[in-house]
Amino acid sequence: QSVLTQPPSVSAAPGQKVTISCSGSSSNIGSNYVSWYQQLPGTAPKLLIYDNNKRPSGIPDRFSGSKSGTSATLGITGLQTGDEADYYCGTWDSSLSAEVFGTGTKVTVL
Amino acid sequence: QVQLQESGPGLVKPSETLSLTCTVSGDSNSYYWTWIRQPPGKGLEWIGYFYFSGSTNYNPSLKSRVTMSVDTSRNQFSLKMTSVTAADTAVYYCARVSLNYGPVGYYMDVWGKGTTVTVSS
Repeated sequence: QSVLTQPPSVSAAPGQKVTISCSGSSSNIGSNYVSWYQQLPGTAPKLLIYDNNKRPSGIPDRFSGSKSGTSATLGITGLQTGDEADYYCGTWDSSLSAEVFGTGTKVTVL
Repeated sequence: QVQLQESGPGLVKPSETLSLTCTVSGDSNSYYWTWIRQPPGKGLEWIGYFYFSGSTNYNPSLKSRVTMSVDTSRNQFSLKMTSVTAADTAVYYCARVSLNYGPVGYYMDVWGKGTTVTVSS
């Protein structure tokens, strides 16, 4: 029962751009920072974006994050086959007093 | 670079207690630590976090069954979940948390590789 809603899948050709939306409410995305995680097949999640739009050291600038109101977006430009993975958004929910995650989005490179 | 390694039984019987340990290579003080799980083919579920000083915060849906603790002398922290059922079958991850307030910035910047726990008789 995920609190945050993401599209189940997105796809694009190599070199193209994809965007992944994450929809929440005033008690989570609307109030707090959003993070994004990449989960390659069979591996643990990896932090991609934190505090809405900041990238940890080592994450290429092909990955970007933004937030507006109660929604957030992850963008991936210059799509590569190595980007095929599941992507999750996460944020703190002040009403639940809990970290909540999105439903997850599978990115396919055509 | 901090590294995390989960360990524990891969098979637990229904109604029994699941016990997992996360070993931290590096400094375990002054950080928040968390457990997250992922049922087969499903998304991520936050179990809770704790601070090295002992303060904790658990997922309301699991709170009655979960206990987290830390052994700073061994650089380990643990998860105990009682009365498990098949619904608790999942890959369990430990992770380091960065937590700031006003607004809340909560994110996991270091993850273990995960350990699979199956609940079955």
